[in-house]
Amino acid sequence: EAGVAQSPRYKIIEKRQSVAFWCNPISGHATLYWYQQILGQGPKLLIQFQNNGVVDDSQLPKDRFSAERLKGVDSTLKIQPAKLEDSAVYLCASSLGGQTVYGYTFGSGTRLTVV
Amino acid sequence: QKEVEQNSGPLSVPEGAIASLNCTYSDRGSQSFFWYRQYSGKSPELIMSIYSNGDKEDGRFTAQLNKASQYVSLLIRDSQPSDSATYLCAVRGGYQKVTFGTGTKLQVIP
Repeated sequence: EAGVAQSPRYKIIEKRQSVAFWCNPISGHATLYWYQQILGQGPKLLIQFQNNGVVDDSQLPKDRFSAERLKGVDSTLKIQPAKLEDSAVYLCASSLGGQTVYGYTFGSGTRLTVV
Repeated sequence: QKEVEQNSGPLSVPEGAIASLNCTYSDRGSQSFFWYRQYSGKSPELIMSIYSNGDKEDGRFTAQLNKASQYVSLLIRDSQPSDSATYLCAVRGGYQKVTFGTGTKLQVIP
């Protein structure tokens, strides 16, 4: 089966600019997650979708981050305006369902550098 | 107290030895436990999951869970240089939220 697709792989932007990341989960996976992984740290959940509804966005900095999952498939994560501390790898993951005991399948990630 | 704690390492073991990686968690209601392997510059990859107290074996990997002690571990037998990576412990707790530890870096010395 095809894995979780993410684009772009790398992005360099100046602070205060905006940026968007795209994710296409594994076909049939109802649950989609966006994680932020800062160098040397574990992934931190930003937002969890179940189909096209938000299940958990408690750690999403809503003043600058937004995410949507239209039609319950693809998702985009946007940062506007970016700050230096947003430099990280943004990982998208999917799983069969929020209630499942299965682990995640991660995409290859987008490495963001804010200068 | 961090929700999921791991020793950051590095943990160095000689090739062929057993590597033991440990993780503690704070949420007593946690239900599922996962170990991910992350090579440098790559995404995490699920290698083991465990849900019940005791041991679960898969090839050279054994996951151990002790819910009373809020402790989960991963043993890697016959360690190989290709096992050198960062190992992330992840815990699914209340509201199905999954929290990751900061990871333990493992170095297998040839």
